[in-house]
Amino acid sequence: DAKTTQPNSMESNEEEPVHLPCNHSTISGTDYIHWYRQLPSQGPEYVIHGLTSNVNNRMASLAIAEDRKSSTLILHRATLRDAAVYYCILRGNVYNTDKLIFGTGTRLQVFP
Amino acid sequence: SAVISQKPSRDICQRGTSLTIQCQVDSQVTMMFWYRQQPGQSLTLIATANQGSEATYESGFVIDKFPISRPNLTFSTLTVSNMSPEDSSIYLCSTMTGRYTEAFFGQGTRLTVV
Repeated sequence: DAKTTQPNSMESNEEEPVHLPCNHSTISGTDYIHWYRQLPSQGPEYVIHGLTSNVNNRMASLAIAEDRKSSTLILHRATLRDAAVYYCILRGNVYNTDKLIFGTGTRLQVFP
Repeated sequence: SAVISQKPSRDICQRGTSLTIQCQVDSQVTMMFWYRQQPGQSLTLIATANQGSEATYESGFVIDKFPISRPNLTFSTLTVSNMSPEDSSIYLCSTMTGRYTEAFFGQGTRLTVV
């Protein structure tokens, strides 16, 4: 499984933008970049995913480097509810590898 | 989307006993997965629950310890057998409604073995 590297922790103040980086230098051409987050005492929840182009949804934006070896999850205005562990995961599109393998993730702290 | 219900939400068990965790999805799904999350750690995939055939286990997990059933497209169980304190973890069920789609997770079962 292709691996991702994320900082162990990051901090932000409320209402400021947050940029969460992820390195995936061994990504293959068919791997999608997925982001999930896990709020305290909850199961993970989907945030966003992309292949090559930058992506936006109501929760966040995903910026993907041109060589696809890194990506950044952008929370435009952090709230206290965004405090969670954020996981960057590479997901293959081959049926028998279509499973999520979690790395260590980035613990985001948001201060009032 | 898919809504996953897990039972029980938590349990305290004696060592040497077994616990079966149930996972119910509100729609038919192709893929179901079981994860373990040890205290303060990330999620580790235990196995893929295949409908109509044996589960596919990840390295380090065996069927004798974690038997899995998948009788239909909406339900699966994970049994933690012959438990020891090292099995104290949160066990999570997950599903995807199809290929290339997002995954959904249950709230987890918090297991404490004493």
